Amino acid sequence: QQPVQSPQAVILREGEDAVINCSSSKALYSVHWYRQKHGEAPVFLMILLKGGEQKGHDKISASFNEKKQQSSLYLTASQLSYSGTYFCGTEIGTGNNRKLIWGLGTSLAVNP
Amino acid sequence: ETGVTQSPTHLIKTRGQQVTLRCSSQSGHNTVSWYQQALGQGPQFIFQYYREEENGRGNFPPRFSGLQFPNYSSELNVNALELDDSALYLCASSRTGVNTEAFFGQGTRLTVV
Repeated sequence: QQPVQSPQAVILREGEDAVINCSSSKALYSVHWYRQKHGEAPVFLMILLKGGEQKGHDKISASFNEKKQQSSLYLTASQLSYSGTYFCGTEIGTGNNRKLIWGLGTSLAVNP
Repeated sequence: ETGVTQSPTHLIKTRGQQVTLRCSSQSGHNTVSWYQQALGQGPQFIFQYYREEENGRGNFPPRFSGLQFPNYSSELNVNALELDDSALYLCASSRTGVNTEAFFGQGTRLTVV
């Protein structure tokens, strides 16, 4: 049930682009993206609720392919502040018994 | 800062002891979720409370229990601590339900020796 993220780790130079993928063997009803810096709490990036939905702010965007049961996070012209571990989460369960299951994370390091 | 505060920030306990971790949710949020995050791993969902009732639980044994109070703050209790319980415990508050933005506290680092 846990979503699978790829790659596990990425090293970029400032200004380069990256794509982080999140896929599931089960149907995805929503995808959540968070970033966690070392020693800090995860910080919300975005939620995608519908197949085909795309969202973005600043130079970080994401897409949700419901049929392929996957989502991708796009980081464009990366900045040093983008370094951290990116987690995708997916909702499972129904009604009042829904919960968020997280992937293992993708570690992103942006170097000068 | 998110407005979600957790206490204590660090804690060392002995195997077999009991521990209570606390979380105050952000104003306007009635849902609190608790997660366990081992080093180098993603957060693992423990349970969620909505309006003082548990409404979702992950694969954690019954010795992990919780409470939510009328002001929507929450406690996580762990009995009979085991060495593997050593982890960062995160709480996250949100408005109703799962598909809303969650705000995380800074976590409580629990070490069981």
